[in-house]
Amino acid sequence: DIQMTQSPSSLSASVGDRVTITCQASQDISIYLNWYQQKPGRAPKLLICDASRLETGVPSRFSGSGSGTDFTFTINSLQPEDIATYYCQQYDSFSPVTFGGGTKVEIK
Amino acid sequence: QVQLVESGGGVVQPGRSLRLSCAASGFTFSTYAMHWIRQAPGKGLEWVALMSYDGSTKYYADSVKGRFTISRDNSKNTLYLQMNSLRPEDTAVYYCVRVDSGISGYFDYWGQGTLVTVSS
Repeated sequence: DIQMTQSPSSLSASVGDRVTITCQASQDISIYLNWYQQKPGRAPKLLICDASRLETGVPSRFSGSGSGTDFTFTINSLQPEDIATYYCQQYDSFSPVTFGGGTKVEIK
Repeated sequence: QVQLVESGGGVVQPGRSLRLSCAASGFTFSTYAMHWIRQAPGKGLEWVALMSYDGSTKYYADSVKGRFTISRDNSKNTLYLQMNSLRPEDTAVYYCVRVDSGISGYFDYWGQGTLVTVSS
C-alpha cells in the first residue's frame, strides 16, 4: 500500500497567517491527491482534488500544489472558521486508497 | 440535493455481527461507486471497502478482509456493510461515501456517519 506522510501533525497560527501543510507519498502518485477539511463532530469535506483543483464553493484562500511524491496544501490568510483537521488522500489506481495522518490547525 | 444517511450502528460485543446501511438520495445511485471509510475515536481516516456502481467489483482493507462484506441494492438506493467477527479495534464512526467518478478518486459526498462500538 502507498503510505502518506503528512506534516506537521498540528500547528498553531494567528488569524491572517499563511499556513502550509505537506504530504509525501511513498511512491509516485502523479496528481492523484486530494485534500479534505474535517471540523469536530462533522464528516470530512472535499476542498481540493487532483492536487490543485479547488472544489466549487471553496474559498480561494485554499490552494494545493505538487505532483509525483510531494504535495503542499496552503491556507492564505488563516480565518477563524478554518480551525479544523486537514487530511490528504491518494487514489492511485493499483493501490488501496490511503489517507495522511491529519494536521490539526488551531488559532494562536 | 445529494444525501447519504447511515444507520445500524450501536454497541456490540466482540465476536458478534452488525450490518450498516446507507440510504442514498438526490442522485442516480446506480451509476456511482461507493465506499465505506471509518474513523476511530480521536484518530484519522481509514478506508474500509469499496464497491463499483454495478456491484461487480469489491475491494477491502486488509484489516477487515474476510470479516466484512460490502454490498448494494440499486433498486433500493442502499449500500450495506455486513460486519462479522467484530473486534474492539473496529470501534469507529463509519462513513458512507460517494466517489465523484470511476471506482476510486475523490470523495465528494459523505454521510453523517454511524458509530459502532465493540465492547464487552
